[in-house]
Amino acid sequence: GAVVSQHPSRVICKSGTSVKIECRSLDFQATTMFWYRQFPKKSLMLMATSNEGSKATYEQGVEKDKFLINHASLTLSTLTVTSAHPEDSSFYICSVRGGSFYGYTFGSGTRLTVV
Amino acid sequence: SQQGEEDPQALSIQEGENATMNCSYKTSINNLQWYRQNSGRGLVHLILIRSNEREKHSGRLRVTLDTSKKSSSLLITASRAADTASYFCATGNNQGGKLIFGQGTELSVKP
Repeated sequence: GAVVSQHPSRVICKSGTSVKIECRSLDFQATTMFWYRQFPKKSLMLMATSNEGSKATYEQGVEKDKFLINHASLTLSTLTVTSAHPEDSSFYICSVRGGSFYGYTFGSGTRLTVV
Repeated sequence: SQQGEEDPQALSIQEGENATMNCSYKTSINNLQWYRQNSGRGLVHLILIRSNEREKHSGRLRVTLDTSKKSSSLLITASRAADTASYFCATGNNQGGKLIFGQGTELSVKP
């Protein structure tokens, strides 16, 4: 599988500010990356599919203006949480589907706390 | 959207015992995968079973798939304290490679 690096691992921000989370595929050119959100003790909810060089595909109920996704290169996708509110506090995880490996490789996640 | 239901939601066993977790899903699938997540961490891929397979083994892991019942089970044999984690099933289909997760089972293995 691919090697995926996600940064930062933890971030605390003030309400109203924006936060950018990076997801890098270190050894694999990923045309597609996926962004998930996870609440405590809950499962992962797919937010959007990030497509290199084109617009992201958002799942129903996910605000595209709130969660901006940019996939400018084959190795980097970014998720920007704009005008963050406390209810945006969550664990955000990216993943990459790696080559002939049908499984997915996940980043280590970003714990966002909005105060 | 989430389509997988897992049971039990939480499971506590003693080291050396076997742990069985079940997963049900709703739509047609190409494959079903199991992942492990340690608290506050990313997910680690454990095993994948294709829709035309019924059983698969990997070390102490055994996965079964019943497409007629839309269900799968993960068996961890001879459990260890280090197996303590949350376990998720996830289904993949042809829709853009999306992976949809079940609710997860929180496994606690006591030494």
